[in-house]
Amino acid sequence: EVQLVQSGAEVKKPGESLRISCQGSGYSFASYWISWVRQMPGKGLEWMGRINPSDSYTNYSPSLQGHVTVSVDKSTGTAYFQWSSLQPSDTAIYYCARHGPWGSIYFDYWGQGTLVTVSS
Amino acid sequence: QSVLTQPPSASGTPGQRVTISCSGGSSNIGGNTVNWYQQLPGTAPKLLIYNNDQRPSGVPDRFSGSKSGTSASLAISGLQSEDEADYYCAAWHDSLTDYVFGTGTRVTVL
Repeated sequence: EVQLVQSGAEVKKPGESLRISCQGSGYSFASYWISWVRQMPGKGLEWMGRINPSDSYTNYSPSLQGHVTVSVDKSTGTAYFQWSSLQPSDTAIYYCARHGPWGSIYFDYWGQGTLVTVSS
Repeated sequence: QSVLTQPPSASGTPGQRVTISCSGGSSNIGGNTVNWYQQLPGTAPKLLIYNNDQRPSGVPDRFSGSKSGTSASLAISGLQSEDEADYYCAAWHDSLTDYVFGTGTRVTVL
């Protein structure tokens, strides 16, 4: 069974750093791209960026460039989403999602979401 | 601000057919395939339709998708109470190098 299991909720202060994780199981992790999707409180879905686990190639939403970093650890089948300096506007639920086969641009499996709260 | 526009809400009684529209442009829907996601309250989104009109295994055939030009539609026939959810269309946007979601439609079963 394909599963994406994300790390738990986080409460941080502005300016702090944070890394959240998404561990895949039940499939060949390196063979499927992973994307990250944000959902701010009471709002819709926003694509943040994606990574190809086989070679760590990434691309990001133009609105995000430089603010976050997506990475993977193939040895543990884990993808990461990290901030060097959080802002209150980063408060949201973050989902990881697996792409369809051959890098298809749709997401067939999703993690359960990680709630990130940034507040002083 | 999303470049894919959906109606904010739609509703129907059990058994009715509900259709949700998704309007885009030549750089997104016009040149790429459309996907639809269902998000039940308090849960992660779920893939409902991919490549315009394909249903993943396990998705009831009450759900169907179509695309024409720069617009797409999701139809739910035989509406059921468990279909109450938010629905999002999505497509790759070439000029933005971005995957864009629609504004979302909340479906209510009356």
